[in-house]
Amino acid sequence: GAVVSQHPSWVICKSGTSVKIECRSLDFQATTMFWYRQFPKQSLMLMATSNEGSKATYEQGVEKDKFLINHASLTLSTLTVTSAHPEDSSFYICSARDPTSGGDTQYFGPGTRLTVL
Amino acid sequence: AQSVTQLGSHVSVSEGALVLLRCNYSSSVPPYLFWYVQYPNQGLQLLLKYTSAATLVKGINGFEAEFKKSETSFHLTKPSAHMSDAAEYFCAVSELGANNLFFGTGTRLTVIP
Repeated sequence: GAVVSQHPSWVICKSGTSVKIECRSLDFQATTMFWYRQFPKQSLMLMATSNEGSKATYEQGVEKDKFLINHASLTLSTLTVTSAHPEDSSFYICSARDPTSGGDTQYFGPGTRLTVL
Repeated sequence: AQSVTQLGSHVSVSEGALVLLRCNYSSSVPPYLFWYVQYPNQGLQLLLKYTSAATLVKGINGFEAEFKKSETSFHLTKPSAHMSDAAEYFCAVSELGANNLFFGTGTRLTVIP
């Protein structure tokens, strides 16, 4: 099946620094990738939709200048949390849509746990 | 607009007992429906999906779900629970051609030995 990886799986940073999270589709080309945020014991909240070669589409309430998304290739999207603060601590999960898979299935990465001190 | 309701944030079953996790959806057009499982500190793994073919969908790990249009439901079942089934389960809905997946709030399954 389709595999999506994320790197790093866990990161701790100081307040005010920036953190980059990578999302890769390993065995398929993903024209569309998604970034979700999950708070403890809650469901996933879609942050933005990332389209290869174009600007990301952000959900209402998500600061595009704080959460920078780049989708430079068909297999890689990056999320950069700029000037991170403790309230940005969360579990960030990406997914990629495999257009060859029926039903517009999204395949999820293993997630990145961000802790901002 | 689509939405998903998962009844019961926590479900406990004995090992070997039937697992039933409920999901009801709202969609203005024929939906695509998904069940995902999440183990602690991990991403989501696709269990199964309904894409307008057979209404009874079989997934991995012995799970299956039945799409019932009249009840707008897509409940997840497994005949016999295993300890390894303990996890968080999410139901999700999308529309054909749409990018967004709308998730339910999740159901935490506990399996009692």
